[in-house]
Amino acid sequence: RKEVEQDPGPFNVPEGATVAFNCTYSNSASQSFFWYRQDCRKEPKLLMSVYSSGNEDGRFTAQLNRASQYISLLIRDSKLSDSATYLCAVSLFGNEKLTFGTGTRLTIIP
Amino acid sequence: DVKVTQSSRYLVKRTGEKVFLECVQDMDHENMFWYRQDPGLGLRLIYFSYDVKMKEKGDIPEGYSVSREKKERFSLILESASTNQTSMYLCASRIPQGVDGTDTQYFGPGTRLTVL
Repeated sequence: RKEVEQDPGPFNVPEGATVAFNCTYSNSASQSFFWYRQDCRKEPKLLMSVYSSGNEDGRFTAQLNRASQYISLLIRDSKLSDSATYLCAVSLFGNEKLTFGTGTRLTIIP
Repeated sequence: DVKVTQSSRYLVKRTGEKVFLECVQDMDHENMFWYRQDPGLGLRLIYFSYDVKMKEKGDIPEGYSVSREKKERFSLILESASTNQTSMYLCASRIPQGVDGTDTQYFGPGTRLTVL
């Protein structure tokens, strides 16, 4: 089983819709969780960290489910500019290396 | 604003050549990383470093070595390039988790290496 797994998609979603991705991780001792966004031919950029209590940043909500070992990303009122690949990343503890999922490709359709 | 720079955006080399990929960060970060990214395989960690002159193997270190002589610079070396090392190479640097729990890893723009 891979350490971090994501549905590769593609997800083709109409503008204005709500879309959610999950990312599962295999090591129950994992402590830090993140969502990155990667545009085509660009480097990944941090979208948001995922906290135990869940967190929200505008139209984006991230949640952690330790019991089932997954994190989720919810995008509300999707915009054309949200089209990108979304990568989840996990580390065992704060200063440890990040392990990335292979990414979920999202395309927002006008 | 954090900046991670890589020496080349595109590089074409021949099989057997020695290749140097340079990465420089300007924020005094202790942790630096080299990844390669391939379609369907995602980001895979090659090597990382927690401090000057320190290095740790990542998940796929075979065929690569690294050098960290200065805190701001982390070099990836392909001792004898092979066609299966054609890939996008991404460098990253990271702030160790802060007292407020923040943790951010910044990536350079990437080097697309083609080995013929």
